[in-house]
Amino acid sequence: DAGITQSPRHKVTETGTPVTLRCHQTENHRYMYWYRQDPGHGLRLIHYSYGVKDTDKGEVSDGYSVSRSKTEDFLLTLESATSSQTSVYFCAIRGGHTYEQYFGPGTRLTVT
Amino acid sequence: GQQVMQIPQYQHVQEGEDFTTYCNSSTTLSNIQWYKQRPGGHPVFLIQLVKSGEVKKQKRLTFQFGEAKKNSSLHITATQTTDVGTYFCAGNSGNTPLVFGKGTRLSVIA
Repeated sequence: DAGITQSPRHKVTETGTPVTLRCHQTENHRYMYWYRQDPGHGLRLIHYSYGVKDTDKGEVSDGYSVSRSKTEDFLLTLESATSSQTSVYFCAIRGGHTYEQYFGPGTRLTVT
Repeated sequence: GQQVMQIPQYQHVQEGEDFTTYCNSSTTLSNIQWYKQRPGGHPVFLIQLVKSGEVKKQKRLTFQFGEAKKNSSLHITATQTTDVGTYFCAGNSGNTPLVFGKGTRLSVIA
């Protein structure tokens, strides 16, 4: 794999609590992405980053924020978790000279 | 916005049968990529196609990119149990982020 780790790998939280998911890469890639995966919906882009402190919204960004203060770390925050945010979250980085993406192992988040 | 549609949603085949999944975009694509996700795993990049009419092979897998660069297909010859998983196509136009199809889940009956 492309040196991508995600933490935590599993989390159960209550509605209304804040949650932060971390993506860490070791290969100095410029582009990083956060996706959520739900049955019947495939992979949907939440936010992405094209450099330190440079981020943009994806298809399903409502209720999520991101930060990237270092090249290697991309954080996804749910300010006030809702049950509709129960999902598997994948981080990805973009390969060097082409657009292929390499995914982390995922974080399974359950909001009760 | 750009949409990528993928069919079928599910496919059940007997081991040894062939399998095809199709991908269609609402817009002309700069490139199309294919990914495989095993049950419980994460998506893994398989291949990228960039040229109109391009055909690429990886052992029993054949990937095609349409002449108009709006559709693509993945064909697996003589499926094996190791082919089980969900296959996603993903495409983009210019420098826009990739848009993924919803995937085709393949199950192989031994």
